[in-house]
Amino acid sequence: DAKTTQPTSMDCAEGRAANLPCNHSTISGNEYVYWYRQIHSQGPQYIIHGLKNNETNEMASLIITEDRKSSTLILPHATLRDTAVYYCIVRSTDSWGKFQFGAGTQVVVTP
Amino acid sequence: GAGVSQSPSNKVTEKGKDVELRCDPISGHTALYWYRQSLGQGLEFLIYFQGNSAPDKSGLPSDRFSAERTGGSVSTLTIQRTQQEDSAVYLCASTQTALFRSEQYFGPGTRLTVT
Repeated sequence: DAKTTQPTSMDCAEGRAANLPCNHSTISGNEYVYWYRQIHSQGPQYIIHGLKNNETNEMASLIITEDRKSSTLILPHATLRDTAVYYCIVRSTDSWGKFQFGAGTQVVVTP
Repeated sequence: GAGVSQSPSNKVTEKGKDVELRCDPISGHTALYWYRQSLGQGLEFLIYFQGNSAPDKSGLPSDRFSAERTGGSVSTLTIQRTQQEDSAVYLCASTQTALFRSEQYFGPGTRLTVT
């Protein structure tokens, strides 16, 4: 599975949109982009995933560039409860399901 | 239950003792995964079950680690002769199938401390 690169940390003001970037320049055509987050002392939580089209759900939006080499997770109105480590993962359609978690981005939402 | 549950939530054990960690996946989920997370680190894959069989055990760090799953449901991760480097949070996840489309639902984890 392709590797991903994310910033180590970022701050966001409460109520503002949080835009979390992820680079996956070696992604191949059969690999999906997944986002998970992990709030302190909890198990990871699924957020969203996509292949090449932009996706939106009740938690977030996922914007994938046309060349699929990078993506952005958007939390439209960050709250203090969104403070967490956010993981961007790419996973092959050939994979039986194992996720390769990197270090992620520590997002801190401040009042 | 509504989600993946794990027990115990915390376990403190002495070096050299054996421990068993339990995972109850979401009902009907056929695939089950074990990960561990050391302090300040990302998740490290350990083993995956499809039904009661484990197609890939390559993530188990040593032969002191073993896991089984019975009845296609509950799984137990056993660590024999624990070492201090085994201290970590052990996370279990389940999915409806092992297909790539299925997102994994994680349990709260078991925090293991080896003294």
